[in-house]
Amino acid sequence: QKEVEQNSGPLSVPEGAIASLNCTYSDRGSQSFFWYRQYSGKSPELIMSIYSNGDKEDGRFTAQLNKASQYVSLLIRDSQPSDSATYLCAVKAAGNKLTFGGGTRVLVKP
Amino acid sequence: GAVVSQHPSWVICKSGTSVKIECRSLDFQATTMFWYRQFPKQSLMLMATSNEGSKATYEQGVEKDKFLINHASLTLSTLTVTSAHPEDSSFYICSASDLAFLAKNIQYFGAGTRLSVL
Repeated sequence: QKEVEQNSGPLSVPEGAIASLNCTYSDRGSQSFFWYRQYSGKSPELIMSIYSNGDKEDGRFTAQLNKASQYVSLLIRDSQPSDSATYLCAVKAAGNKLTFGGGTRVLVKP
Repeated sequence: GAVVSQHPSWVICKSGTSVKIECRSLDFQATTMFWYRQFPKQSLMLMATSNEGSKATYEQGVEKDKFLINHASLTLSTLTVTSAHPEDSSFYICSASDLAFLAKNIQYFGAGTRLSVL
């Protein structure tokens, strides 16, 4: 079982709709969770961090964390073509390391 | 703030040669830097973690004699791929944290280096 799992997609959403991305993790003791956006050929860009159960909103992005169920999700509201990218879920592993999921490719169609 | 510069962005080299990649934190002191490798359509795989002034800690399966990491100052870490072979062709990405970022497990990434070994 992979430590951090994501659906690879592509997740196709129409412009203006909500994109919903999910991530599950295996280490029940994980405390820190991150969503990164990666455009093709570029390096990851941090968009959200979440540390406690519940929702955290930042602009059009909302991260949701449920430690009991070991999943973290990302909602992108009012999706724009510029949101088309691969979204990586990352979970703090042992020490200061991050373990990344395989990423979900999102395609926003005008 | 939190800008990480990585150089070069793209390098082509002949098989058997060595390549050095630099990672610099421009506006903070990076006590810890991380080196990742990403193959096409795959996620980031951590290669090693380096703390300023200490030897790097390599992940299982990563050859420390092949991938030399030096973190001699709080703003610079280098990765040298020695005797590169075509299978080393990949996207290499560094990230950096200072103590405050590290407390929250936040890493800021450089732009990456695409290595092609002929």
